[in-house]
Amino acid sequence: AQSVSQHNHHVILSEAASLELGCNYSYGGTVNLFWYVQYPGQHLQLLLKYFSGDPLVKGIKGFEAEFIKSKFSFNLRKPSVQWSDTAEYFCAVSPDSGYSTLTFGKGTMLLVSP
Amino acid sequence: GAVVSQHPSWVICKSGTSVKIECRSLDFQATTMFWYRQFPKQSLMLMATSNEGSKATYEQGVEKDKFLINHASLTLSTLTVTSAHPEDSSFYICSARVPGDFATEAFFGQGTRLTVV
Repeated sequence: AQSVSQHNHHVILSEAASLELGCNYSYGGTVNLFWYVQYPGQHLQLLLKYFSGDPLVKGIKGFEAEFIKSKFSFNLRKPSVQWSDTAEYFCAVSPDSGYSTLTFGKGTMLLVSP
Repeated sequence: GAVVSQHPSWVICKSGTSVKIECRSLDFQATTMFWYRQFPKQSLMLMATSNEGSKATYEQGVEKDKFLINHASLTLSTLTVTSAHPEDSSFYICSARVPGDFATEAFFGQGTRLTVV
């Protein structure tokens, strides 16, 4: 079975600071990788996803993530955070097969102070 | 993107009663839906996979008789928490993927906060 580990439970940053949230997974086969965001009181929303190809993936709202296969990592980055980025971020993985279920990390709560 | 709607958003019930949570795919047909449970400060844990027209597949440790799942149509799956107890208080979330393209994202409902008193 796959598992996902997110390194930080809480991150506090000032606006304009750079962000990197760590995510490592364990699984023996090919995986699909996701970052989801949950703004206060809202649905989980997809930030970005990796299935194949360029390991550097661009997502919405200026986020990007890099898949490093040798490190089993899929870290999320943003060069300059905004107050509106305050949310909880979840890394998730699913095996590369039809209708596979998602396994989530525990989430990282990001608080950006104005 | 596709929309998944969950109802109710929150519910408070007395211990021993049953609660039904609905999950609807509004603009697509979902042959498969997923039910998750999220405890405070923890990750989403998959409870079961709901399959239209057949029995749900439950994850290990999830009581089938307590968490009844019905997926009677291509746009609706329901989760019924039977004889609820305070330890069932949690945040329940459903999701669905657009069929025919497994390499797509999952869309999530807004979740249901269940409090059993």
